[in-house]
Amino acid sequence: GDSVTQMEGPVTLSEEAFLTINCTYTATGYPSLFWYVQYPGEGLQLLLKATKADDKGSNKGFEATYRKETTSFHLEKGSVQVSDSAVYFCALITVGTYKYIFGTGTRLKVLA
Amino acid sequence: DVKVTQSSRYLVKRTGEKVFLECVQDMDHENMFWYRQDPGLGLRLIYFSYDVKMKEKGDIPEGYSVSREKKERFSLILESASTNQTSMYLCASETDGTEQFFGPGTRLTVL
Repeated sequence: GDSVTQMEGPVTLSEEAFLTINCTYTATGYPSLFWYVQYPGEGLQLLLKATKADDKGSNKGFEATYRKETTSFHLEKGSVQVSDSAVYFCALITVGTYKYIFGTGTRLKVLA
Repeated sequence: DVKVTQSSRYLVKRTGEKVFLECVQDMDHENMFWYRQDPGLGLRLIYFSYDVKMKEKGDIPEGYSVSREKKERFSLILESASTNQTSMYLCASETDGTEQFFGPGTRLTVL
């Protein structure tokens, strides 16, 4: 079945460091790909998305590119801030289904 | 501002009690979902509903049931709570597979 694999955390970085969180997927159809973020004590909220190959999603300085050839959707940010400390979830949904598949989440901690 | 609300942020129940978790969305979304979130396991789908009175089992439906009598409201029911149901429960809604909107979560502890 469809699946999403994320790098395990926690990831600890200093402020202004470069961030990469790896995400790879397995899907039988043509999925849309998402990154969600969960700040402490809150539910998940959409960070960015991409619906077809080579699309780049971006928001709040974060970027991810839908790479069909490597089945990946890695999250990047050039300069992280303390306020980016959160749990990040990679997810997919295949067209024609209701079911979202989430990765296990990667906790990011940014130190001042 | 779009909103998904959950009836409680924190809940403590005893083993064997019947527990109701309520979720309400104000976006007229067709689809609603209940997940549980556990450390190291991410989000696991319990049930989802694609219309009023319609429901489908997710990956871990055992020990849970759901009710959707109105479009905006989706309830999760634990018929007889057990300690292994201690978890964070997240409700979400969406319409067309472009984005799920999540509530703030209910942290349930079963003693």
